[in-house]
Amino acid sequence: DSGVTQTPKHLITATGQRVTLRCSPRSGDLSVYWYQQSLDQGLQFLIQYYNGEERAKGNILERFSAQQFPDLHSELNLSSLELGDSALYFCASSAGATNEKLFFGSGTQLSVL
Amino acid sequence: SQQGEEDPQALSIQEGENATMNCSYKTSINNLQWYRQNSGRGLVHLILIRSNEREKHSGRLRVTLDTSKKSSSLLITASRAADTASYFCATRSWNSGNTPLVFGKGTRLSVIA
Repeated sequence: DSGVTQTPKHLITATGQRVTLRCSPRSGDLSVYWYQQSLDQGLQFLIQYYNGEERAKGNILERFSAQQFPDLHSELNLSSLELGDSALYFCASSAGATNEKLFFGSGTQLSVL
Repeated sequence: SQQGEEDPQALSIQEGENATMNCSYKTSINNLQWYRQNSGRGLVHLILIRSNEREKHSGRLRVTLDTSKKSSSLLITASRAADTASYFCATRSWNSGNTPLVFGKGTRLSVIA
């Protein structure tokens, strides 16, 4: 058990809908990262938050947004969903801001039908 | 975008044999990390090697880094069926700003009992 909690584990929704994925980092970790994993694109970095502030941004679509709350949990909001958004979404956390040793959650499998 | 590229994409060996996976990357790095992912699960950090290190060991794992060739290898000795998983290299580039950890597409290792 990595100590990183992601909910829900599975999500099935329709095109055009909006969903929210939730992540609780390991106790004491200040950084939260979101990654998207698909068969064709591999593991793609989306965004990082450190202590409530956006720290780094990757290949995150404008339809997607994220935030980190004062209690350090994070949410990833995906809107106007398309079939191609179907993927495994991972949250990871680390103690500091500089990407040393990430601890991954077990992921949210998103299926857009 | 992918920074690291693992080779081979898939590897099948008998239990007790050694497994070697390679990773090549494009830009100068701060550190290189290897992660394991069991089917459909979150990634688990295995080992981190810094740019000024050439070799590192952890149990049955041996990682080498050749910065002149921009490549790394992961050796798993005396493999077990439980080592069956996908293995990813991840790199953090040298940059004045905050750079994310970028993952390759992974090597799928199958260890046959």
